[in-house]
This record gives sequence, structure tokens and C-alpha cells, in this order.
Amino acid sequence: KAGVTQTPRYLIKTRGQQVTLSCSPISGHRSVSWYQQTPGQGLQFLFEYFSETQRNKGNFPGRFSGRQFSNSRSEMNVSTLELGDSALYLCASRRDTERSPLHFGNGTRLTVT
Amino acid sequence: DQQVKQNSPSLSVQEGRISILNCDYTNSMFDYFLWYKKYPAEGPTFLISISSIKDKNEDGRFTVFLNKSAKHLSLHIVPSQPGDSAVYFCAALLFGNEKLTFGTGTRLTIIP
Repeated sequence: KAGVTQTPRYLIKTRGQQVTLSCSPISGHRSVSWYQQTPGQGLQFLFEYFSETQRNKGNFPGRFSGRQFSNSRSEMNVSTLELGDSALYLCASRRDTERSPLHFGNGTRLTVT
Repeated sequence: DQQVKQNSPSLSVQEGRISILNCDYTNSMFDYFLWYKKYPAEGPTFLISISSIKDKNEDGRFTVFLNKSAKHLSLHIVPSQPGDSAVYFCAALLFGNEKLTFGTGTRLTIIP
């Protein structure tokens, strides 16, 4: 069974640009979550999608947005990039049963210059 | 406001000995706890979890202990193996919510 797939693995962007990251969940998983990992803040929750609807949202500015498609694939968009957005962005999927663990992809490393 | 804290950024343990990783939390509404392991350039991998109605859960070499009154949990790995060298994150879930709150991680190094 294929794991969570994230593309691209690495991205370099300049300040002010926008970026779109992609995530394909494990087959059968309808819940997809996004996390940001930085050295100073650790892993922080961005948002969760289920059946194409945002079900939960973290404390990030509106520049961070996402969506989910009918096949459960998800995209995350960051507009007007800032230097502080440089991070590892992790996507995770899970079965929609109570307390089922998240399964993470290997992440997209975003560098903003 | 860090609600889940791992106060030891790093830990070194001799191969074959016990590794004990600690985690403290401040929010008494957390009712489910998980441990994840992360290798460089990979995403975190789920290890073991525990519900707040239990005080211990065991899976092979991994045991998680929960002390609700102290708001403290720990992960025991015994015996420690070189492949256990990684960063370990504890994480917590609020009752009725599936949003994980992570600690900042502890880098475990197993010395051969």
C-alpha cells in the first residue's frame, strides 16, 4: 500500500511569490492534514480537510490556504511568501475513525529567499 | 504557549540499555497521547499511543506511561538499538478534536 506522497520534495521561491504544494493520501484515507515544521516552533498544525471541506484550522494567517479534491488529494497554497515561511511542510492522512493515528508524507522543503 | 513540552532536546544511550524520553503537558483537556519517531528527510512515523483512561501501553520494545496527575508521559525503549537513533515527538489530542499538538522533539542517539 503506497504511503502519503508529497510533491515537490524541494522548492526555492523568492519573497512575494506564491507556492502550491501537493499531497496524495493513503488510499482509503479521506482526512488530510497539513503541518509546518520549523527549528524554532516544531510541528504546528495548519489545517485539516475531510470530504473536500476544511474541518479544522490552526493559527496561521490567511496567506495559508488549502483545498481537497473529490479523490481526497489535497493542495496547500501560500501567497505573498515571507522569509519566515521557510520550513518543512508535512502532509498527513488518516482513517476517519476516532483517534486513528496520522500517517505522514516525507514533506516538501520550502526555502524562501 | 507550548502546551506540550519535551524539555530534553537530546539524549544519548548505550546500545542495549533503556531509553526514557519524557514529555509534559499543561492542558488537562488532552485525552489521547501519541509518540512519533522521525528520521532526517522523512516524515514522522507513528510509534505508540495511549488513552487518558490508561496509565500504560506496551508494544514490543516500546512502552508508554501516563501520569495524569503530574501531566507527564514517558516513552521507554528497551533494549535500545542503533536504529532507534532519531528525533522523537510526543503529541496530544484534545477531547473531541483530531488536531495534534506536538512537543518540540528529543533527539535520541544510541551509542554502539
